[in-house]
Formats: sequence, C-alpha cells, structure tokens
Amino acid sequence: DGGITQSPKYLFRKEGQNVTLSCEQNLNHDAMYWYRQDPGQGLRLIYYSQIVNDFQKGDIAEGYSVSREKKESFPLTVTSAQKNPTAFYLCASSSTPLKLTDFYGYTFGSGTRLTVV
Amino acid sequence: QKEVEQDPGPLSVPEGAIVSLNCTYSNSAFQYFMWYRQYSRKGPELLMYTYSSGNKEDGRFTAQVDKSSKYISLFIRDSQPSDSATYLCAPKAGSYIPTFGRGTSLIVHP
Repeated sequence: DGGITQSPKYLFRKEGQNVTLSCEQNLNHDAMYWYRQDPGQGLRLIYYSQIVNDFQKGDIAEGYSVSREKKESFPLTVTSAQKNPTAFYLCASSSTPLKLTDFYGYTFGSGTRLTVV
Repeated sequence: QKEVEQDPGPLSVPEGAIVSLNCTYSNSAFQYFMWYRQYSRKGPELLMYTYSSGNKEDGRFTAQVDKSSKYISLFIRDSQPSDSATYLCAPKAGSYIPTFGRGTSLIVHP
C-alpha cells in the first residue's frame, strides 16, 4: 500500500542535542512538507520541498534543517537552536499541480511526538 | 486577525445529532476549501474539499462555502461515536500551500 512512513513514533531528546526525524513516501509525490502541531495552535509549516535538491522555509523554520536528496525522503533535523522543540511533527506529501486549477490534497504520515527531557 | 479562524471546542454532541463545524477566513484569493479529519495521535486525512462557493455532499458529510461572507462549514448528519476527532479546515489559493485552521475537537457520545 502506498503511503507516508514517519519514524520513530516517539522520540526523546536531551537539551542541546540534535535529532533527525525520518519521513519516507512511496506515493511518487513530488512535493513534501513538514508541519509542527502544538495543542490549540493547528498546523504550522516548517519546511517544504517541491523537487529533489530544493526546499523552502515555511513559517517557523528557525532551529530546523532539512534535506531532499531523494524524491522519496525528506528528513527533518531539530537542532539545539530550536528553543521549544517539544511537539507533534507531521510530514505530508502531494502531487505538484501543473495548472492553478489543479487540486491535490495532502497525504499525511502518522507523526512523530518529540519530547525534550 | 488570523487568516483562518476556527473554534477549538470541544464540541460534545449525542449520537445521531447533526453537527455543524465552521471556519471563517480573510483571504479573498482562497479557491479550494478542504476539510481534514484527525484522530487522536494520528495524522490528518483529507475528508472532502470544495472549489469556490457552494455545497458538496459525500454520504453523511456536507461541505459548504459562502465566499461572500468568507464562511466555511462542514455538516455531519447522524453523527456516530466514530466521528469523534479533530476537524481542520484548510483553504488554499490555487497551487499555493493551504492555510490550516486550529481544528475543532468533536466528541460524539453514545
């Protein structure tokens, strides 16, 4: 079955450590996204990539880094510069519209819950 | 003012009730209006979407958009305990990235 796999499901990080969250998709989608979800705040965009070897900052990119070396993979690194990293992280993917009137919804992974200890 | 406003709830209703979930938005360029359902500790899944104004029905779910008042609604008929989840509205303009509401938590009790 096609889908998005995020791992690990739960992650604990010590203060000052970098951690990397994995996101892999087998949907042949061009675009991939990382969101952060905090209680009562909805989804906030961290980074997105519409093509391999290219990515753009979202609304809250500070303290995060990404890479897109393969179409299937879009790992997110939470660096020690991120002051409040405890959150639920969601990865998503979608096809890229060829026309403005094309519509493609997002497919989300099951998320990684990161806790700083 | 946020671009998309959504009451976080929780909204608690008895089984079988008609549920109305709503969002307001400020960006006139939004053309697609999506609703995602998110169960606890899971990723959101696309429930349905509409293009421009009007209604769209899918089983027990009806999505409604009024662009003149910038108001988005999702109605659930004959609500079931399995409908208990958080519902996020997500309008977007053309090929741009959607803007997600905060989500409304719905609890349907037997």
